[in-house]
Amino acid sequence: GAGVSQSPSNKVTEKGKDVELRCDPISGHTALYWYRQSLGQGLEFLIYFQGNSAPDKSGLPSDRFSAERTGGSVSTLTIQRTQQEDSAVYLCASSTRQGANSPLHFGNGTRLTVT
Amino acid sequence: GENVEQHPSTLSVQEGDSAVIKCTYSDSASNYFPWYKQELGKRPQLIIDIRSNVGEKKDQRIAVTLNKTAKHFSLHITETQPEDSAVYFCAAPGAAGNKLTFGGGTRVLVKP
Repeated sequence: GAGVSQSPSNKVTEKGKDVELRCDPISGHTALYWYRQSLGQGLEFLIYFQGNSAPDKSGLPSDRFSAERTGGSVSTLTIQRTQQEDSAVYLCASSTRQGANSPLHFGNGTRLTVT
Repeated sequence: GENVEQHPSTLSVQEGDSAVIKCTYSDSASNYFPWYKQELGKRPQLIIDIRSNVGEKKDQRIAVTLNKTAKHFSLHITETQPEDSAVYFCAAPGAAGNKLTFGGGTRVLVKP
């Protein structure tokens, strides 16, 4: 079946512009995560959505970052007034069960470059 | 929150040899320990996981061992092949269990 879909796959933007990244999770998956991966680095947690519960935003690096999940499915991650240090691959993942005790299915990511 | 440390950061092995990657975690309430493999330019994919009620799990050439007392777990790859070359990440969920904290990754290079 279809996996986690992310768009765009690549995004180049000028410093100071806003960007929106989209994630379409696997159908039926209730948990959705955003992670950030800088070049050659590990996976940095950003935000977690579970059903209708309030999201865990504890990983968002600044108030320029926000995310929403509409109808328990598609999620968008918005970065306002982008900075060069925001350049990274943004990975979305979904899983079947509540919490992190089940496998995560990652999308291919959005490579964001801020010039 | 959970803190996961992973060693080594890079590992070079000869084809056919074994590779071992070790991770330590800080939160004794963590009860699920997955390993992900990320090939160059691709998404991370789960290769094996273990829950805290077992000490070892094996799947063909890969195995994971868990020592809850010492709060560490390891990935073992036997008879390494060039296609095993990738970055491997360990992870643990912590007490809240609502997000995975990943280790820093190990870049494995299998030399033919």
